[in-house]
Amino acid sequence: DTGVSQNPRHKITKRGQNVTFRCDPISEHNRLYWYRQTLGQGPEFLTYFQNEAQLEKSRLLSDRFSAERPKGSFSTLEIQRTEQGDSAMYLCASSLRRDSDLYGYTFGSGTRLTVV
Amino acid sequence: QQQVKQSPQSLIVQKGGISIINCAYENTAFDYFPWYQQFPGKGPALLIAIRPDVSEKKEGRFTISFNKSAKQFSLHIMDSQPGDSATYFCAAFTGGGNKLTFGTGTQLKVEL
Repeated sequence: DTGVSQNPRHKITKRGQNVTFRCDPISEHNRLYWYRQTLGQGPEFLTYFQNEAQLEKSRLLSDRFSAERPKGSFSTLEIQRTEQGDSAMYLCASSLRRDSDLYGYTFGSGTRLTVV
Repeated sequence: QQQVKQSPQSLIVQKGGISIINCAYENTAFDYFPWYQQFPGKGPALLIAIRPDVSEKKEGRFTISFNKSAKQFSLHIMDSQPGDSATYFCAAFTGGGNKLTFGTGTQLKVEL
């Protein structure tokens, strides 16, 4: 499978617990992005990495959220002290830096988080 | 601040009909406008995209019309099929930027 892989697909957690999601991008892609999508809305940008460097973070990414891409390959997104408002689909995407070519900008199937 | 506005929220079209979804943007720095298709439980998949120096782009049954002066663009799906039933998102991107700004989505249902 050469697509963007996200694990787990679904996560149910109790409020206050910490959760971690993983994203494996397309192997040759050097850029990796995280988005959040709530029900009935379009995805919203959270953060992106070029190789292992985190180059931009949205104001949506509160201090309870942290993302890493330690070796420039897979990435993790951790949410600490989860709140019910964190319930959403968390999408990962990857691309190869090449001007504005969006045809390589590929999304994974997401991790659906439910905070109870 | 919603930078890309999309309408309608939902759309029902008969099989073989034309589906039309509209979007408007505010930020003139946007220079690439894609449309994404999303099925339940899946991530968005790129359908077709256009640059603002082109007024129309067609790929198979899908056409984007772009009006730069009005800052509006639309997706037309010709000969709509039940398999086209999905949620469609317009988006905007800057070549120098790294993030997509999405509209709120249109849930399309194509009935037999």
